[in-house]
Amino acid sequence: DAGITQSPRHKVTETGTPVTLRCHQTENHRYMYWYRQDPGHGLRLIHYSYGVKDTDKGEVSDGYSVSRSKTEDFLLTLESATSSQTSVYFCAISDLGTGRVPSTDTQYFGPGTRLTVL
Amino acid sequence: AQTVTQSQPEMSVQEAETVTLSCTYDTSESDYYLFWYKQPPSRQMILVIRQEAYKQQNATENRFSVNFQKAAKSFSLKISDSQLGDAAMYFCAYGSSNTGKLIFGQGTTLQVKP
Repeated sequence: DAGITQSPRHKVTETGTPVTLRCHQTENHRYMYWYRQDPGHGLRLIHYSYGVKDTDKGEVSDGYSVSRSKTEDFLLTLESATSSQTSVYFCAISDLGTGRVPSTDTQYFGPGTRLTVL
Repeated sequence: AQTVTQSQPEMSVQEAETVTLSCTYDTSESDYYLFWYKQPPSRQMILVIRQEAYKQQNATENRFSVNFQKAAKSFSLKISDSQLGDAAMYFCAYGSSNTGKLIFGQGTTLQVKP
């Protein structure tokens, strides 16, 4: 299994509070991704990173920001959590690609974080 | 924009029998990849099988095989000799060679009956 951990694994928070989720990898993969999973929608890409300090938006990026200061860590921040951000969040990694465009290399997923915003 | 549709929210199969999960996609790209991921109750996303669009031969992985119909934009997953451990949600995903991003379908929950 790819060495990907996510923390916390579960979190309950209140509307309006900031929340940061962490993804840590030990594979030295170049590309890292944040997805959210909601019933009826499958997984949707929030943001991804193609290198240290290099990030780009996905299809559902509103209300989220990301940072990557080290190859192994990719942080997802909800500046002011809303109930619509209640979801399961997955981190994924892949290695092949050119610049900001990853190849369609297999992505390996972390165990997920269940976030509940009350 | 690419879309992926899994029209079967739920499926069930008897243990040891064969089941086919459907997936259709829409794209104007000629170069892409297709994937099936399995998500058991543990929530872990596990790659089941991968198909390159330029390959005519259907991919197989042990009991799992695909029927890739490029002209019809169809990518179904066949599970043979179903086992209790196959019970999970299955996601079809499209991988764009232009952007490198994955687009997932809504998922199909597979129940395996003993």
